[in-house]
Amino acid sequence: GQSLEQPSEVTAVEGAIVQINCTYQTSGFYGLSWYQQHDGGAPTFLSYNALDGLEETGRFSSFLSRSDSYGYLLLQELQMKDSASYFCAVIDGNKLVFGAGTILRVKS
Amino acid sequence: GAVVSQHPSRVICKSGTSVKIECRSLDFQATTMFWYRQFPKKSLMLMATSNEGSKATYEQGVEKDKFLINHASLTLSTLTVTSAHPEDSSFYICSATRESSYEQYFGPGTRLTVT
Repeated sequence: GQSLEQPSEVTAVEGAIVQINCTYQTSGFYGLSWYQQHDGGAPTFLSYNALDGLEETGRFSSFLSRSDSYGYLLLQELQMKDSASYFCAVIDGNKLVFGAGTILRVKS
Repeated sequence: GAVVSQHPSRVICKSGTSVKIECRSLDFQATTMFWYRQFPKKSLMLMATSNEGSKATYEQGVEKDKFLINHASLTLSTLTVTSAHPEDSSFYICSATRESSYEQYFGPGTRLTVT
């Protein structure tokens, strides 16, 4: 079967750093992606890791350890607009298998 | 670049009627399009994968006769919910990929309400 686990909710204050973890068990694996989705909106692509290590894109970074079937999304200098749902997704062939999502609430 | 549109954004229909949702890639040719369903506060569940000119591949548990998918061109895929029932009410989202790309570009979604 395919399963991805991530925390259901995380709360943090503006300016803080937050890490959202994702562990996965999938039949195929080509990489791990992260998507952001605001309420009522479409998911938007944040990052992609195919190899072990850290990928940095501005305030957001993503990490992957293939041997541990584990990755995380790191958000720095949190802003109110970062309040959204964050999904990890495994790339399996040409398909994305999504985790259940983590609701991030940023407080002032 | 890489914009995907969906139409309509919201639709309300009566039980037993059919509804067609369009998904278009506006500025690129989409080799593959995907259709997802999302319930409130839940994850995106892949319904089917469609490639231009060929039959869609449905995920396990998705009724292909109920959710008809047509991918007639490299920029357009349609999802028709046939004989809709209230339990089909959901947020339907499409996405598209370019050739040799892992990134999926998502449409804005269609909120379907069946009364």
